[in-house]
Amino acid sequence: DSGVTQTPKHLITATGQRVTLRCSPRSGDLSVYWYQQSLDQGLQFLIQYYNGEERAKGNILERFSAQQFPDLHSELNLSSLELGDSALYFCASSLGPGRVYTEAFFGQGTRLTVV
Amino acid sequence: TQLLEQSPQFLSIQEGENLTVYCNSSSVFSSLQWYRQEPGEGPVLLVTVVTGGEVKKLKRLTFQFGDARKDSSLHITAAQPGDTGLYLCAGVGNAGNMLTFGGGTRLMVKP
Repeated sequence: DSGVTQTPKHLITATGQRVTLRCSPRSGDLSVYWYQQSLDQGLQFLIQYYNGEERAKGNILERFSAQQFPDLHSELNLSSLELGDSALYFCASSLGPGRVYTEAFFGQGTRLTVV
Repeated sequence: TQLLEQSPQFLSIQEGENLTVYCNSSSVFSSLQWYRQEPGEGPVLLVTVVTGGEVKKLKRLTFQFGDARKDSSLHITAAQPGDTGLYLCAGVGNAGNMLTFGGGTRLMVKP
């Protein structure tokens, strides 16, 4: 158990819909990262938050948005869903930014299926 | 954009064989990490290498960071079926701690 909790584990929804994925980081971790993993692919970085502020942005679509709340949990919102958005979405957390990267702990992911 | 290329993409070997997985980039990373991911699970960190030329050993796994901090390799000695999984390298850019992942190497070790 990494200590990072993601809900829900599975999500099936129709095209055009909007969903929210939730992540609770490890206790004490201030940074949250979101990644997308398509079938048998590597992980694509979407966005990072540190202590409530957006820290870094990757290849995140305009239809996607995220935020980190004062209690440090994070939500990833995916709207106007398309079939190609079907993927595993992972959240990871770490202590915080630094010159040398600290260990990132990953949740078990949310498997999103768009039909 | 910093890109990491892993090779091979797929590897199927017999138990007891040795193997090497490569992670290459044209960019310099402040550090590089190797993760292992099993089906239905998130990636789990195996090792972080920081210094150019650094070699770290984790039981039968040997990790090396290139002198120029642009590439890395993972060598597994006497592979076992329990080593089966997706191996991912990830580089940390100099601008911050955003992880850039390679495409992964899917390893299958047959008994």
